[in-house]
Amino acid sequence: GQSLEQPSEVTAVEGAIVQINCTYQTSGFYGLSWYQQHDGGAPTFLSYNALDGLEETGRFSSFLSRSDSYGYLLLQELQMKDSASYFCAVRSSWGKLQFGAGTQVVVTP
Amino acid sequence: DAGVIQSPRHEVTEMGQEVTLRCKPISGHDYLFWYRQTMMRGLELLIYFNNNVPIDDSGMPEDRFSAKMPNASFSTLKIQPSEPRDSAVYFCASSPRGASGEGNEQFFGPGTRLTVL
Repeated sequence: GQSLEQPSEVTAVEGAIVQINCTYQTSGFYGLSWYQQHDGGAPTFLSYNALDGLEETGRFSSFLSRSDSYGYLLLQELQMKDSASYFCAVRSSWGKLQFGAGTQVVVTP
Repeated sequence: DAGVIQSPRHEVTEMGQEVTLRCKPISGHDYLFWYRQTMMRGLELLIYFNNNVPIDDSGMPEDRFSAKMPNASFSTLKIQPSEPRDSAVYFCASSPRGASGEGNEQFFGPGTRLTVL
């Protein structure tokens, strides 16, 4: 079957570092994306990894290991505005994304 | 660009009524996606189009759901007849054709919150 596993919730204080892991099992794999969604809002794109390694975009970084079917999103210097749900999504075919259940990140003062 | 536009933003209807959701993708994007999001099932892909042609509708729940894309700037998702279990937030997203021929980043509209009583 096809599945994506990520933790349901993570809580951390402002200024901390949070790592959200994602493991996947899909019939096809082109790459791994991460999306952020605030309550009541729409998902917004954060990053995409097609090849193994680390991609850094400001305070956020994303990592992929294709051989391990594993990736993570790293949030550094956490801010209150980072409180949101974060979804990993596998691009399993041309243009098609399959989303995980999401990880709710709660940032406390 | 105004981004992906969806209408209506909220829809409350009674069971058995027809519901039509509308989407205008970002100009120039080749891909259009319809998603449904609920607490129980998360974010599910219903159907997607490439250059106005439906490519994969395997996520459409049943025959009560239908989607069309008559031109590059407009798509509809119709539910007829609607049922309470269809209550969800429905997102439309569009994606450009990437340099390698792939669409990576998807741009989501604000969503339509549907409540079926």
